[in-house]
Amino acid sequence: ETGVTQSPTHLIKTRGQQVTLRCSSQSGHNTVSWYQQALGQGPQFIFQYYREEENGRGNFPPRFSGLQFPNYSSELNVNALELDDSALYLCASRSQMNTEAFFGQGTRLTVV
Amino acid sequence: GESVGLHLPTLSVQEGDNSIINCAYSNSASDYFIWYKQESGKGPQFIIDIRSNMDKRQGQRVTVLLNKTVKHLSLQIAATQPGDSAVYFCAEAMEYGNKLVFGAGTILRVKS
Repeated sequence: ETGVTQSPTHLIKTRGQQVTLRCSSQSGHNTVSWYQQALGQGPQFIFQYYREEENGRGNFPPRFSGLQFPNYSSELNVNALELDDSALYLCASRSQMNTEAFFGQGTRLTVV
Repeated sequence: GESVGLHLPTLSVQEGDNSIINCAYSNSASDYFIWYKQESGKGPQFIIDIRSNMDKRQGQRVTVLLNKTVKHLSLQIAATQPGDSAVYFCAEAMEYGNKLVFGAGTILRVKS
């Protein structure tokens, strides 16, 4: 177990709806990254938060947004859901001191 | 459980044999390379990493080789066990653990 927990584990939403996914980082980790993993593919970097600010973003539209809280937990919000947003969403945490990234078990989002 | 990689290349090996999983990376400026193991229904799990100024690094039963000339990375698993069955991803990064770029993945199946 990595100590990174994500909720919920599974979620079904309708196209056009909004969704919020949550991540609790491992104790002592102040940097959280989010990844999208479509079926049969490797994870794709969405964005990263450090000290409550976004400090890196991948090739995802603005309807993907996030937050990081003072306790370093994080949320991923996706607006106007599309069918192609169906994927496993992974959260990874690390300390800023050049340590490896530890992944949670992911949230499986299905958009119908 | 649900498969992570339905359309990924597959390597089948006999229990006890050595496994070699290959990966081509894209960015010659990447400074860190990491191998992850992902079992069905779980997030990626760190296996071993290597920095760009090295060409070989050994861990417990695993060895990573880096060939920067042809931008190629390999993971060698000695005495492969049934518990090694999973999808294996290589990832590259400019900074350790930060904004990981994942490869497509390889399914490893270990036959008893």
